[in-house]
Amino acid sequence: KQEVTQIPAALSVPEGENLVLNCSFTDSAIYNLQWFRQDPGKGLTSLLLIQSSQREQTSGRLNASLDKSSGRSTLYIAASQPGDSATYLCAVSYSGAGSYQLTFGKGTKLSVIP
Amino acid sequence: KAGVTQTPRYLIKTRGQQVTLSCSPISGHRSVSWYQQTPGQGLQFLFEYFSETQRNKGNFPGRFSGRQFSNSRSEMNVSTLELGDSALYLCASSYRGYNEQFFGPGTRLTVL
Repeated sequence: KQEVTQIPAALSVPEGENLVLNCSFTDSAIYNLQWFRQDPGKGLTSLLLIQSSQREQTSGRLNASLDKSSGRSTLYIAASQPGDSATYLCAVSYSGAGSYQLTFGKGTKLSVIP
Repeated sequence: KAGVTQTPRYLIKTRGQQVTLSCSPISGHRSVSWYQQTPGQGLQFLFEYFSETQRNKGNFPGRFSGRQFSNSRSEMNVSTLELGDSALYLCASSYRGYNEQFFGPGTRLTVL
């Protein structure tokens, strides 16, 4: 059974700092990995999708890496801003019974202090 | 292009009642998945539909069911509601299921 772990559970940083969020998964037979952000009481916003054959993806100040063999992914946020404050969720997609369900970590709650 | 929409956004029900939630995927997307989010369990997979067929179902009791229509819109139904069914129910759509998933704003269900 696939399990996804995110460390730390919460993180507080001053504005402008660069930071790294970690995600690990137990089964390397994934199809892709997706990073999301969730604001309180809201749905999930897709940030980056990394296919299993890729090593990294970049979007603006965000960079996500994937090491499938070791079961790890990181999300790097450069020059953090107060608007980055949210919960960041990592999810892996794998093929089971002909379907591609996502398994989520519990998330990292990020607070960027002005 | 319009995103994933879910209705209603909020629901309050009492134990024993039944509820139906609706999800309209992004135009052209044929896969719709449903997830339950609670503070204790996090996000858990309920089921996935593709071209009106349920392809996969998570570990939830039979009280949770769903369907998908020919226009890819999906509904999920929970019968005989229990207090523990209080949660944020999220719907996600993707082109074929293995592509990028896009989530709706969710339906907040409170069971009293």
